[in-house]
Amino acid sequence: DAGVIQSPRHEVTEMGQEVTLRCKPISGHNSLFWYRQTMMRGLELLIYFNNNVPIDDSGMPEDRFSAKMPNASFSTLKIQPSEPRDSAVYFCASSGPSGSYEQYFGPGTRLTVT
Amino acid sequence: AQTVTQSQPEMSVQEAETVTLSCTYDTSENNYYLFWYKQPPSRQMILVIRQEAYKQQNATENRFSVNFQKAAKSFSLKISDSQLGDTAMYFCAFMKRTSGTYKYIFGTGTRLKVLA
Repeated sequence: DAGVIQSPRHEVTEMGQEVTLRCKPISGHNSLFWYRQTMMRGLELLIYFNNNVPIDDSGMPEDRFSAKMPNASFSTLKIQPSEPRDSAVYFCASSGPSGSYEQYFGPGTRLTVT
Repeated sequence: AQTVTQSQPEMSVQEAETVTLSCTYDTSENNYYLFWYKQPPSRQMILVIRQEAYKQQNATENRFSVNFQKAAKSFSLKISDSQLGDTAMYFCAFMKRTSGTYKYIFGTGTRLKVLA
């Protein structure tokens, strides 16, 4: 298996622009997580999907952030409009129904908003 | 609310030596899972080891082992025969499952440097 795939790996954008991050979970996994990692705040869970349904979005910072999972093999995290404080590494992780519960992380997207 | 505390922001160890990273957590749950993840400079998060709270036996994975003290809510990671490739950020994580949903909480991490 190719593991969790994220794109792009790096994104540089100007303040006010829309940013879309993409994630393809491991085939057969039914849970998907979006995290944000910064030096100041560490690793923060933004939103969690189970069977394509958002279960917990309490970590989404504000209305500028939105996430979708239209099917079991694809999810997006959108920021509109972006701000410099959104600069961070965004990770997607997936977890399977096997009962072991560990998460498998993608390589992350480093977002820089200037 | 559950919390996970890693009190050692940074540690260093000589190659081939043993090092222990500490993690404590707070929960009122009885059934949960604990994990250690490694994040090397490449930034990829990798699972190191997993412990089910209902198991008394400490988990081991080659050079990595844990000391799980459920009553004390402590979950330390021991790395034996440290290698340069062990240099990374290590995160302790807590997970509980409630009615089919999952709640993961990560600690702030410990930066480990293995010295040649």
